[in-house]
Formats: sequence, structure tokens, C-alpha cells
Amino acid sequence: GAGVSQSPRYKVAKRGQDVALRCDPISGHVSLFWYQQALGQGPEFLTYFQNEAQLDKSGLPSDRFFAERPEGSVSTLKIQRTQQEDSAVYLCASSAPLRLRNNEKLFFGSGTQLSVL
Amino acid sequence: AQRVTQPEKLLSVFKGAPVELKCNYSYSGSPELFWYVQYSRQRLQLLLRHISRESIKGFTADLNKGETSFHLKKPFAQEEDSAMYYCALSGNTDKLIFGTGTRLQVFP
Repeated sequence: GAGVSQSPRYKVAKRGQDVALRCDPISGHVSLFWYQQALGQGPEFLTYFQNEAQLDKSGLPSDRFFAERPEGSVSTLKIQRTQQEDSAVYLCASSAPLRLRNNEKLFFGSGTQLSVL
Repeated sequence: AQRVTQPEKLLSVFKGAPVELKCNYSYSGSPELFWYVQYSRQRLQLLLRHISRESIKGFTADLNKGETSFHLKKPFAQEEDSAMYYCALSGNTDKLIFGTGTRLQVFP
């Protein structure tokens, strides 16, 4: 594909509802990141995969948040029992190499805007 | 703790004026610093990184370890530079830590 693809583009959920957000990284990209961006804030790290392995989930705000990448390509971020404070743009990003350092960069998707009513 | 601070939420200048977007970081090791930009209705994208010591679209940024800063500069702003700019830090892990961003408005 042309870039990182995220779906849906917009999601409105009632408080307490479960949601699933999808990310299709650039083909062949090893590393995949999820970020949460609240209104007026910068992206905040949630979790990171290297292929199918979730290497860092220190940014997940609660056990209601769960991410997976079972086959090392598509990833899903699931939020259970959504709360109003979960309203944000959820960004997915991928990069080709194993390490972000050494001159590599992230390619971002357009994000999913989640609104919890 | 790793932290990135962008003190200005909004910076407004006229076309042709010099621009400096401030970024300070907190990290005890040897950091990798980046500037990402988001133009209206577009996705976040890399503008430049300190290790490359490059100039992109007329922008430059120098890492000053003594002042723990990585300010973004351009001598003559253009209207098309109007966007959100995020400074980001990569420390000893693979994740990027972003600042809160500065909105640059360039008036004609």
C-alpha cells in the first residue's frame, strides 16, 4: 500500500462500549507503534511491536487497553468499557528496521478519532 | 525520566520573518532528536533529525547538549510553513517521546 492505513477514520462509542481500532502498516515494516493524542497534546506512546512480539506496553493507561499483532503485520488496538477520557486520536506508526535509532524514521497513519459519549 | 518541552503553543510571524521554534529535552544519556511536522489535513511526518545534520525546506536544528535544546530555525518563513511542529526524543528505547507541539502561523 501507499502508507500506513488505519480504520475506522472516526469512531463514536457510548460509554461502556468496547471498540477495536485497526492498523495496516507499510508492507514489510518490522516495527509498529501505537500512540494516543488527546486534543491539544502531542502523541503519547502506548505500545510497541517488533513483528508479532509486543516489546513494550508501558504506555497503556489501564488494563482496559489491549493490543495485538498476531501475524506480525496488521495490528488491533482494543479498548474495553470505554470511558470519556479515552476520547482522543489514536495514531499508528511503522518503521522498517528493528531499531528507531541509527537514522530511521516513523511513518504515521492518519489516525482514528475516537469520541466516547 | 525522558521529557520534551515545547514552551510555545502558538508562534505567529509574517512571511519573510525568521522563525525559531523552541525545544528542550530531559535525558541523561545520548539522545536522538527529531522534528516532526503535521500540515493541515495531512498525517504526521518527519521533517528532520539531528544525526543527519540536514536542512529540509530551509529548516535547520542544532543539538545543544549543554543547554539540552534542539531548536528549529528558518531564516525566512513562508506561508506554506504553517503547520503543527513536534519535537521528539529517542533515548535508550525504541519509542519516541513527543513534546506538546507548537502551531506555526505564517501570515502573508
